[in-house]
Amino acid sequence: GAGVSQSPSNKVTEKGKDVELRCDPISGHTALYWYRQSLGQGLEFLIYFQGNSAPDKSGLPSDRFSAERTGGSVSTLTIQRTQQEDSAVYLCASSLAGFSGANVLTFGAGSRLTVL
Amino acid sequence: KQEVTQIPAALSVPEGENLVLNCSFTDSAIYNLQWFRQDPGKGLTSLLLIQSSQREQTSGRLNASLDKSSGRSTLYIAASQPGDSATYLCALNSGYALNFGKGTSLLVTP
Repeated sequence: GAGVSQSPSNKVTEKGKDVELRCDPISGHTALYWYRQSLGQGLEFLIYFQGNSAPDKSGLPSDRFSAERTGGSVSTLTIQRTQQEDSAVYLCASSLAGFSGANVLTFGAGSRLTVL
Repeated sequence: KQEVTQIPAALSVPEGENLVLNCSFTDSAIYNLQWFRQDPGKGLTSLLLIQSSQREQTSGRLNASLDKSSGRSTLYIAASQPGDSATYLCALNSGYALNFGKGTSLLVTP
């Protein structure tokens, strides 16, 4: 597509429920990134995919968080048993390649998650 | 771990002023530095990318500089306009992560 698409744009859920956030990167971009932006905080790196594999999962806050990418394209970030501290904007980005010198990341508009 | 600091956290200027946003970082072993703009409720838009070997980049009224030896980057905005109001973020690419500062919230008043 022309840009990075994320859905849903807004999600309100009850504590303890599972949520899935979807990211559709720019066509042809092999690298995909998930970040979290909490109120008043900077962007927190969660996970990075090169193709379908995730070389670095160390940024995931807990084992309630998981992500997958299939077919080298769409990625899903799943949060199980959501907690109020999970409330944030989840941003996805994609790039032609991974972290390298000339790499420009293109971000989606984000998915705002509110856990009541 | 790379620490990225942006000063000031917020800035308000009258239209037409030239201004400088600052970004400092602790680890000079970087691939590149990128400046982004974030409008309320929106994602991030890339403004400028400076490679590790470069000193500055220009795009229109924007000029970004990079001094790795001192761990500093500046974003210069000339002749500011109300449409420049947004949060500006710098991000350092260390080859294995993109570390962001918390941003500078800019308000340009008519």
